[in-house]
Amino acid sequence: GENVEQHPSTLSVQEGDSAVIKCTYSDSASNYFPWYKQELGKRPQLIIDIRSNVGEKKDQRIAVTLNKTAKHFSLHITETQPEDSAVYFCAANPYNNNDMRFGAGTRLTVKP
Amino acid sequence: GAVVSQHPSWVICKSGTSVKIECRSLDFQATTMFWYRQFPKQSLMLMATSNEGSKATYEQGVEKDKFLINHASLTLSTLTVTSAHPEDSSFYICSATDSPMNTEAFFGQGTRLTVV
Repeated sequence: GENVEQHPSTLSVQEGDSAVIKCTYSDSASNYFPWYKQELGKRPQLIIDIRSNVGEKKDQRIAVTLNKTAKHFSLHITETQPEDSAVYFCAANPYNNNDMRFGAGTRLTVKP
Repeated sequence: GAVVSQHPSWVICKSGTSVKIECRSLDFQATTMFWYRQFPKQSLMLMATSNEGSKATYEQGVEKDKFLINHASLTLSTLTVTSAHPEDSSFYICSATDSPMNTEAFFGQGTRLTVV
């Protein structure tokens, strides 16, 4: 089955700096890669996703890159703000399946 | 976007009792619903996948007789924790999709279960 690894587990940046979170996956059949932001005690919120036919996707300050060959994908947040502080999870979905597997999460802290 | 409502948001129960958690898709038909368990400061661990009208598929290590899942309609799935014990205390969260293909999953707000 799919195995998703996520690094780092914690990340602290200064407001205005960039933050990068990396994930690797094991199942070459995976073709959908969402990123979720979860605040304490709340539901995960989808912030961006990418499919395997695309190498990069950007939405304002957030971007995701995907390297299918290396089986890794990354989340990039630019011009970080304190409200970006949360736990971020990557996930991978095998093709033709919604059986999503999550990474272990990254706790991002943006210091004002 | 699509809305998934989970109820209750928190529950405290006595050891040995059963607790039912509901997950409803409010504005779409959920062909598939997923149940996750999340311990503090940990990731979401998939417990089971349920499709409307059929038996749930449980992940390895998840006791199907302890965590009863019923997906009786396209808008409702329930998770019943039977004979709950303190170690079952956790954050349980459901998600739902409207397609069997891999698409965005919509999450419920989660249920914090405390077994005393």
